[in-house]
Amino acid sequence: DVKVTQSSRYLVKRTGEKVFLECVQDMDHENMFWYRQDPGLGLRLIYFSYDVKMKEKGDIPEGYSVSREKKERFSLILESASTNQTSMYLCASSTGQGPYEQYFGPGTRLTVT
Amino acid sequence: GEDVEQSLFLSVREGDSSVINCTYTDSSSTYLYWYKQEPGAGLQLLTYIFSNMDMKQDQRLTVLLNKKDKHLSLRIADTQTGDSAIYFCAEPNAGNMLTFGGGTRLMVKP
Repeated sequence: DVKVTQSSRYLVKRTGEKVFLECVQDMDHENMFWYRQDPGLGLRLIYFSYDVKMKEKGDIPEGYSVSREKKERFSLILESASTNQTSMYLCASSTGQGPYEQYFGPGTRLTVT
Repeated sequence: GEDVEQSLFLSVREGDSSVINCTYTDSSSTYLYWYKQEPGAGLQLLTYIFSNMDMKQDQRLTVLLNKKDKHLSLRIADTQTGDSAIYFCAEPNAGNMLTFGGGTRLMVKP
């Protein structure tokens, strides 16, 4: 079974702190994704990566950066957390071949106070 | 760009069938997906259907695809309280990404 893990289920940070969210997958998937999920807004893609050290902006990259130094690990970084970044963050991975289904981690609920 | 649409809410009684509907816009989509999200959890892939199929059945789940109308549905037979969740349909877009619908919250009443 594909397993995608995220470093924390719940996280509380203060405004202005630097925040790291870690995601690890164990299926040698090429593609990895970071989404945020907010009520009424569905899933919105923040960044994705299709290879080590490669990254592409998604729909809402502002205020975020990412790092992919190893194939299995994709990190989301909030350089200076703000209250409007309070959200559920979901990581996913997929192969580079059809049917392209994405496998999700359990999510990290981040609260910025 | 692509836009995947779903109704927001569906309520059924335990034991009834549930039908969750989805419309998509990209007629060239090769696969279409259904995901389930339980409270406080990530998304779990339920099933997917290849675009050259009209129907796919997997135990209590039946997926119907109408390519002409760009309509996808998920039928859950004998719905149980454990089926209460948010259901997302999704289609692929450029770059092997997925576009998700807004999700349908299924509430199952005992």
